[in-house]
Amino acid sequence: DTEVTQTPKHLVMGMTNKKSLKCEQHMGHRAMYWYKQKAKKPPELMFVYSYEKLSINESVPSRFSPECPNSSLLNLHLHALQPEDSALYLCASSQGDRYQETQYFGPGTRLLVL
Amino acid sequence: GDSVTQMEGPVTLSEEAFLTINCTYTATGYPSLFWYVQYPGEGLQLLLKATKADDKGSNKGFEATYRKETTSFHLEKGSVQVSDSAVYFCALGPPMNRDDKIIFGKGTRLHILP
Repeated sequence: DTEVTQTPKHLVMGMTNKKSLKCEQHMGHRAMYWYKQKAKKPPELMFVYSYEKLSINESVPSRFSPECPNSSLLNLHLHALQPEDSALYLCASSQGDRYQETQYFGPGTRLLVL
Repeated sequence: GDSVTQMEGPVTLSEEAFLTINCTYTATGYPSLFWYVQYPGEGLQLLLKATKADDKGSNKGFEATYRKETTSFHLEKGSVQVSDSAVYFCALGPPMNRDDKIIFGKGTRLHILP
C-alpha cells in the first residue's frame, strides 16, 4: 500500500479564517513533506519532517504552521492567509530521511483564499 | 547547482503514436532520477525511477533509461492512449552523500487525441 491521504479535498477560506489541512500515511514512512503547487508549475517544497521533527522550513511565512503529532500524521495549520496562497497543497512521505528516496504524494487539497 | 530541464509542452499526439519526452539533468555525484505524472485535478503519482547509471525504469508501458554519458532520462512509450493525457514531471533526487531536496523539472503537458 503506497497511499497518502489528504483531507479536505477542497477548502475555501476567508483571509481571517483559521483552518487546517490533514495528511496521513500508514506505510511506516519516517519523513513527511508539505509542498505548494501553483497552476502549471512544479511543486515547491515548504516543510520537511524527519522522525517527527521539523528538519526543513523553506522560509515559509508564519501564517503557515506545520505540525507532526505522530509518525503517521502531518497537519498544516492556516491562519490569516492571502489570496496569493491559493494553490494545491500536496503532502508526501518517504521511507527515511534521505531525500533521494522515493516520495509518495497524496491527492492534494485545493485551497482557495477569498 | 543541480538542475533538471525537460521539453516545453504542450505535446499533442494522436492515440497509438510513439511518445518521447526529453529530460536532461545537471548534477554532481550520482543522483536518483524520477518521472512523476499528474492527471487533471489530482496529486503527483510516481511513474518510474532509476537509481544508477544504465538502470531502466518502467511502468504502465512507459520506460526511461538513466544515461550518465548524456545526462539524460528521456521518457518513452510505444503507443499512447487518451488516458495518458496528463502533466509529466522529471525529477532529480540528490546523491546518497547529500541531504537536499528533490528538484523538479517544469513539467510537460501531454494531450492525446482520440
